[in-house]
Amino acid sequence: KAGVTQTPRYLIKTRGQQVTLSCSPISGHRSVSWYQQTPGQGLQFLFEYFSETQRNKGNFPGRFSGRQFSNSRSEMNVSTLELGDSALYLCASSLHFGTYEQYFGPGTRLTVT
Amino acid sequence: AQSVAQPEDQVNVAEGNPLTVKCTYSVSGNPYLFWYVQYPNRGLQFLLKYITGDNLVKGSYGFEAEFNKSQTSFHLKKPSALVSDSALYFCAVRDSNTGTASKLTFGTGTRLQVTL
Repeated sequence: KAGVTQTPRYLIKTRGQQVTLSCSPISGHRSVSWYQQTPGQGLQFLFEYFSETQRNKGNFPGRFSGRQFSNSRSEMNVSTLELGDSALYLCASSLHFGTYEQYFGPGTRLTVT
Repeated sequence: AQSVAQPEDQVNVAEGNPLTVKCTYSVSGNPYLFWYVQYPNRGLQFLLKYITGDNLVKGSYGFEAEFNKSQTSFHLKKPSALVSDSALYFCAVRDSNTGTASKLTFGTGTRLQVTL
């Protein structure tokens, strides 16, 4: 079974631009979560989706948004990029939420200049 | 609010020796506990989880973890460390008390360095 895939793997953007990251979960998984990983803040939860509904949201500004499609694929968007948005963005999928373990993709490395 | 603490930034151990990576948690209800490992330039890999039942949980690559409710701890252990175990280890918790609104909270990570 194929793992979680994220595209693109690397991205360089300029301050003020917007970016869209994509995540394809493991086949059959209906829950997708997004995390931001930085050396200073560690792993921070962004959002969790299940069956196209946002189940939970972390403490990030409204510039960060996401959605999930009917095939469970998910996208996250960051508008008006800031230098501090430079990070590794990780997507994780699971069969369901709650007790189920999450399986992570390799991440998208976003650099904002 | 739920939280996870990994008190050691780094743990150093010689190959062949036992290793322990510490984790303590705080939740209002019963915890769902997880350990993940991250190798350089990779995403996180699931190692093991505790949901309910036996306090000793066995996982991938010979790792195990012991759930201790009174000490609110979930330490990761391995009887004999390998150099290839060197990586960043994350403990995570989800609170069973908050239903569908609960999120997975990660600790800050512990870097395990295994030397020959």
